[in-house]
Amino acid sequence: GAVVSQHPSRVICKSGTSVKIECRSLDFQATTMFWYRQFPKQSLMLMATSNEGSKATYEQGVEKDKFLINHASLTLSTLTVTSAHPEDSSFYICSASSVRGQATDTQYFGPGTRLTVL
Amino acid sequence: QKEVEQNSGPLSVPEGAIASLNCTYSDRGSQSFFWYRQYSGKSPELIMSIYSNGDKEDGRFTAQLNKASQYVSLLIRDSQPSDSATYLCAVIKDNPYSGGYQKVTFGTGTKLQVIP
Repeated sequence: GAVVSQHPSRVICKSGTSVKIECRSLDFQATTMFWYRQFPKQSLMLMATSNEGSKATYEQGVEKDKFLINHASLTLSTLTVTSAHPEDSSFYICSASSVRGQATDTQYFGPGTRLTVL
Repeated sequence: QKEVEQNSGPLSVPEGAIASLNCTYSDRGSQSFFWYRQYSGKSPELIMSIYSNGDKEDGRFTAQLNKASQYVSLLIRDSQPSDSATYLCAVIKDNPYSGGYQKVTFGTGTKLQVIP
């Protein structure tokens, strides 16, 4: 199956700093990438959808100026949490799809990034 | 009403038994339905997808969809301790806010415990 990697797998940072999370598709071209957030004992919540070369589409309630998404190539998308605060501590998961805009069987999940903001 | 609802569990079944996981959804426009398995601290992995009413079988897993009742289920036969995980139901529909891009909505998951 297709492989999606995330880096780092775990990050601890101080409040007020910015953190960048990378999501890479290793063996296929990810036309569309999805970013999710999962708080403990809660479900995955879609934060935004990004297509290569286009601006990301954010879900209602997600601050686009706080969660910067860049999808500059067909294999890499980055999520930058700016001025992180303790309430941003969560498990961030990306997924990638080779079919533009589609999230069906073609969606492959990365292993996730555990962010802890002190 | 939540868009996708699941009983959080835990659902405990003895090894070798059938585990039955249920999910209901609120939007009749939903098009595709998925079951994911998520181990603690890990990202979800796809188990089954189902698109039309009826049953779909894959090995020990059977997904059942009833669009009229807005209900989707997952049966796990011959449950094994390694099946112990949280099972997420996911529903897809076109996202009207993003030019037709699909939106996946996950349920909160049901924790399954298979007892040896």
